[in-house]
Amino acid sequence: ETGVTQTPRHLVMGMTNKKSLKCEQHLGHNAMYWYKQSAKKPLELMFVYNFKEQTENNSVPSRFSPECPNSSHLFLHLHTLQPEDSALYLCASSQDPGRRNYGYTFGSGTRLTVV
Amino acid sequence: GENVEQHPSTLSVQEGDSAVIKCTYSDSASNYFPWYKQELGKRPQLIIDIRSNVGEKKDQRIAVTLNKTAKHFSLHITETQPEDSAVYFCAASKGSTLGRLYFGRGTQLTVWP
Repeated sequence: ETGVTQTPRHLVMGMTNKKSLKCEQHLGHNAMYWYKQSAKKPLELMFVYNFKEQTENNSVPSRFSPECPNSSHLFLHLHTLQPEDSALYLCASSQDPGRRNYGYTFGSGTRLTVV
Repeated sequence: GENVEQHPSTLSVQEGDSAVIKCTYSDSASNYFPWYKQELGKRPQLIIDIRSNVGEKKDQRIAVTLNKTAKHFSLHITETQPEDSAVYFCAASKGSTLGRLYFGRGTQLTVWP
């Protein structure tokens, strides 16, 4: 593992279901991110959290709801999703750039299939 | 915001040949440029990065060059091997935006044995 752990690795859910994705980092990083990766598309930033505070919401539909209870944990709550939401959801973390360490560490992702 | 363009989208080379992937960025304030490699079914992993005070950086078979004036940077892989086959992403960051990375669309590199 890289220090960023995502669960579950795979998830199949119906359009009326409610589920949550979890991300946990043990690197002491201050920032955490959710990205969506669809086939043949670029990495799409969804949400950014710095020191537990949401600093960016990249026009994400309200059926995706993030939660960051502390700087080590990040959740993505899902409800009434659409089939086009099927994708790989990647969590990443990074340290405060004031320390001049900007690189991301990615989790292994959750492969989500909406049926 | 920043806009990162990456080319080509696909690249096929013979084992032993060199591969070059190019990226351009729009915001002259960007000062950190990492490259990520994502193998099939795996997470993106940082392979090399460069900061704006450096023009070139090399790590074994991988090198990155940066031209701040032209706002472009490139990844060079020499003596390619089949295990280099993956999707490569470039990214740019401005330190003032708390580490936010702006990614290119990715390049699918295939190295044929």
